[in-house]
Amino acid sequence: DADVTQTPRNRITKTGKRIMLECSQTKGHDRMYWYRQDPGLGLRLIYYSFDVKDINKGEISDGYSVSRQAQAKFSLSLESAIPNQTALYFCATSDLSGSNYNEQFFGPGTRLTVL
Amino acid sequence: GQQLNQSPQSMFIQEGEDVSMNCTSSSIFNTWLWYKQDPGEGPVLLIALYKAGELTSNGRLTAQFGITRKDSFLNISASIPSDVGIYFCAASFFGNEKLTFGTGTRLTIIP
Repeated sequence: DADVTQTPRNRITKTGKRIMLECSQTKGHDRMYWYRQDPGLGLRLIYYSFDVKDINKGEISDGYSVSRQAQAKFSLSLESAIPNQTALYFCATSDLSGSNYNEQFFGPGTRLTVL
Repeated sequence: GQQLNQSPQSMFIQEGEDVSMNCTSSSIFNTWLWYKQDPGEGPVLLIALYKAGELTSNGRLTAQFGITRKDSFLNISASIPSDVGIYFCAASFFGNEKLTFGTGTRLTIIP
């Protein structure tokens, strides 16, 4: 079974709709991250969380919000989706307690299309 | 923000050839990571480097943490079809748990 899972894997929606992407992990890691991937731009950090009560903005947080419901769950919301939010979205985790805490482990991604 | 310059952007090689790619920055980093992404999947960690000058292997893959701490290199020996994909470098420094990613090198193997 995958350690980091994301749902849905694919989603097509219309402009103005509210969308939630979910991430769950069984790795027991404290830290969770949401990234966006666009062609030619690599991975850009949207939000990250170091524990349940900690939420931090990344470099491109405008238009997004997150919720850390539990250590294992981190969801990303688009309150009112717009076409330029069409992208691949990845969740990642890392282990605060380990010496290699910068190593991040990624989920399989969600392909979001906003029409 | 900080950027990692990854080159080449794409490579077209024949099976069996060796591959080299690199990642450079104007900033110093304490950690360099190399990831591979297959189509429709998330990036998978290949190699992690934590010391300047460090050379680390993972099967046919070898990566080096540059002495200046501003660059890293990834080599793949005797490429095989399953090496196809996009390779990303990523870097961070102590006290900053966020990763900065390169824009990727797309590897294609020509039949």
